[in-house]
Order: sequence, then structure tokens, then C-alpha cells
Amino acid sequence: EAGVAQSPRYKIIEKRQSVAFWCNPISGHATLYWYQQILGQGPKLLIQFQNNGVVDDSQLPKDRFSAERLKGVDSTLKIQPAKLEDSAVYLCASSLVLSYNEQFFGPGTRLTVL
Amino acid sequence: GIQVEQSPPDLILQEGANSTLRCNFSDSVNNLQWFHQNPWGQLINLFYIPSGTKQNGRLSATTVATERYSLLYISSSQTTDSGVYFCAGPPGNAGNMLTFGGGTRLMVKP
Repeated sequence: EAGVAQSPRYKIIEKRQSVAFWCNPISGHATLYWYQQILGQGPKLLIQFQNNGVVDDSQLPKDRFSAERLKGVDSTLKIQPAKLEDSAVYLCASSLVLSYNEQFFGPGTRLTVL
Repeated sequence: GIQVEQSPPDLILQEGANSTLRCNFSDSVNNLQWFHQNPWGQLINLFYIPSGTKQNGRLSATTVATERYSLLYISSSQTTDSGVYFCAGPPGNAGNMLTFGGGTRLMVKP
């Protein structure tokens, strides 16, 4: 069974530019999550989807970050405009159902903002 | 929100040694997971252990939900065990939103 797929694996941009990340969850997984991991810290949840609906986006900086999962399968996370402090690894995870279920993570996208 | 504390923050072992990593939660959790983040950044699932004890090869984990802690045991450590170990769990009434601890950075020397 294929795992969570993410692309690109690495991205370098200048501040004020925009960037987008893509995630394809494990087949059949209804719930999808985006996390931000700053160097030296544990991942922090940004947004959680159940199928194509947002369950929780309270930690998403909505002035610059947006995410969608239009068809309830793959998802994109966008940053516009990027700031230096957005440099981090962006991890996508999925789980079979919403409640109390094991999450599986993709390899992440390492973003560097210069 | 829930606070997750891991100890020790850093650990250096000689190959073959045993170790115990600890994870404390400030509130009850319903879905505790242990992960190993390898040097390439991939988070690898080790255990999904809301309560009780599980074993997988040289690794085992125990969660005592009523006392809000979990332990990860590594026996006969190998250099490939190096990396960062994270525990994570959601608060009891917060669905599946994982809150991560700060991690334990393990280095196993040959």
C-alpha cells in the first residue's frame, strides 16, 4: 500500500513570493492534516480536513496561508506572500477516520525562504 | 491546550545499551503515538498505544493513561536507532489533532 505522497521535496524562494505544496493521502483515508515543523521543534498542526471539509484551521495564519481539498482526496497548501519565519518542513498526514485514529505522515516539503 | 513534555531532551548511547524515553501529558489523551524521525526528516510510526503495553522487536511502549504518561523502551540499541523520537496525542475531547512533544534526540555511537 502506497504511503502519503508529497511534492516538491524541497523549495527555495525569496520572501514575498508565493509557494504551493501538494499532498496525496493514503488511499481511502478520509482525514488529512497539514503540519508545520520548525527546525528543532515538534510538528504543529495547521489544518485538518475531513473529506473535502475543514474540521479545524484555528492554527492556520489565514492572512497568508490557505489550503484546500476540493475533491476530498489530494490537497494543496499555499503561502502567499512568504516570510522568513515560514522556513520549515511542511508535513502532510492522513488517517482512516476522524476520531482517535492512527496518523501516517508523508516525507515532507522543506521550505527555505531567503 | 494540552502540554506534552518529553525527557530526556538529548541522549547519547553506546551501541548495545538500553534506554527509556518518557512522555508526560498535562491532560488525558485518547490516541497516543510514538514516532521516530530519521535523519532525512521522515516520521516513522512506531506505536499507536492509547493504553497498555506493546512490543515490536527491540522496541516496546507502555502507556498509563490514568497517570498521563507513556514510556518507550529501546533495547540493544543500534546506530540506525539514531534520530529524534516524538510522542504525540490529542486532548481527550479534541478528535484527532495531535499535539507533539519537543522530542528526544538520540545518538547511538558504534
